[in-house]
Amino acid sequence: GENVEQHPSTLSVQEGDSAVIKCTYSDSASNYFPWYKQELGKRPQLIIDIRSNVGEKKDQRIAVTLNKTAKHFSLHITETQPEDSAVYFCAARADKLIFGTGTRLQVFP
Amino acid sequence: SAVISQKPSRDICQRGTSLTIQCQVDSQVTMMFWYRQQPGQSLTLIATANQGSEATYESGFVIDKFPISRPNLTFSTLTVSNMSPEDSSIYLCSVGAYPYEQYFGPGTRLTVT
Repeated sequence: GENVEQHPSTLSVQEGDSAVIKCTYSDSASNYFPWYKQELGKRPQLIIDIRSNVGEKKDQRIAVTLNKTAKHFSLHITETQPEDSAVYFCAARADKLIFGTGTRLQVFP
Repeated sequence: SAVISQKPSRDICQRGTSLTIQCQVDSQVTMMFWYRQQPGQSLTLIATANQGSEATYESGFVIDKFPISRPNLTFSTLTVSNMSPEDSSIYLCSVGAYPYEQYFGPGTRLTVT
């Protein structure tokens, strides 16, 4: 079945810097790749997603890129702010949504 | 996106007992899922709740331990049976939205003593 690897597990950046989180997946049939943000004690929230027929998608300060050949996709956050601090999960879906292990992002003022 | 609610939001239970978690959606959805999130960990799919038929369980999860009901397109329950401390976790209901998105309920925080 699908396996999703995510790194780094923790990431600390200064406010205003960029943050990049990378994921790889194993199932070439996966065609949908969402990213979730989970703040402490809250539910995972869908922040951006990309489908297999698209290479890049951007929404204000966040962007996601997909390389189907290499089976990896990345989340890019620019101009980070303290409120971006959270755990971020990538996921991949062929027939069901499988999650990566998560990245704890800390943005220091 | 659909509004998803879960009950209870949290509970503390004794080992050997069972707890049923309810998930209610404010609109009809085809796909409903149950996930488990152990402390500090990622989300693990327990099963897909199918309306009108038995749930589809993932490897490592069995119906006797986690029976699921899906009586209609807006409601599902997950029961955690014969609980042990290892079942302490957050249990999350999730629904699929056309065409691809998937959203989560607020979760049920379960502590087994």
